[in-house]
Amino acid sequence: DQQVKQNSPSLSVQEGRISILNCDYTNSMFDYFLWYKKYPAEGPTFLISISSIKDKNEDGRFTVFLNKSAKHLSLHIVPSQPGDSAVYFCAASLGGGADGLTFGKGTHLIIQP
Amino acid sequence: EAGVAQSPRYKIIEKRQSVAFWCNPISGHATLYWYQQILGQGPKLLIQFQNNGVVDDSQLPKDRFSAERLKGVDSTLKIQPAKLEDSAVYLCASSLLAREQFFGPGTRLTVL
Repeated sequence: DQQVKQNSPSLSVQEGRISILNCDYTNSMFDYFLWYKKYPAEGPTFLISISSIKDKNEDGRFTVFLNKSAKHLSLHIVPSQPGDSAVYFCAASLGGGADGLTFGKGTHLIIQP
Repeated sequence: EAGVAQSPRYKIIEKRQSVAFWCNPISGHATLYWYQQILGQGPKLLIQFQNNGVVDDSQLPKDRFSAERLKGVDSTLKIQPAKLEDSAVYLCASSLLAREQFFGPGTRLTVL
């Protein structure tokens, strides 16, 4: 039973446009959510996070939105740049982030020039 | 600040052999995690340590996998004996406080 789902295996976006990556979760006890970015042959790199007490968190070009009633979060990247091409993982945690993470399968974002 | 170190980066073994992976977390990070990432999947938590004590090992296949964190710093993950389905990338992560986990580059294991 997959508790964190990323239903789009890949996404292609033109450089300069907005990239929107989506994530759904089933466990209502999750209270902390994170996005990680992964390049080939490297470990995941933390991007941005959000606590369940918030509905939005922004850091530069990256914004994460959380809709608790829909059990849905999204990552917006604007404007998209070529270096953003990578696999993006959505992750969720219990205990305010202290516990191990439950990851989705990832979305491969491709930024087209 | 140095990141999470892992070795080896790559390992190829035959089924039924044993293998061990090593992780050195970021200095001062009390919490250490081991994850298994099978091709096409997201990382899956195997075990979580707080200092040298186990917090969660509910998803660790204990009949063949073992892990230890002596002195609350470095950690080793061992598989004995390995099966074909253990082929994956093994990721180590550490964190200082609850919140962000910092990952190492991983060890890619191929079991033939």
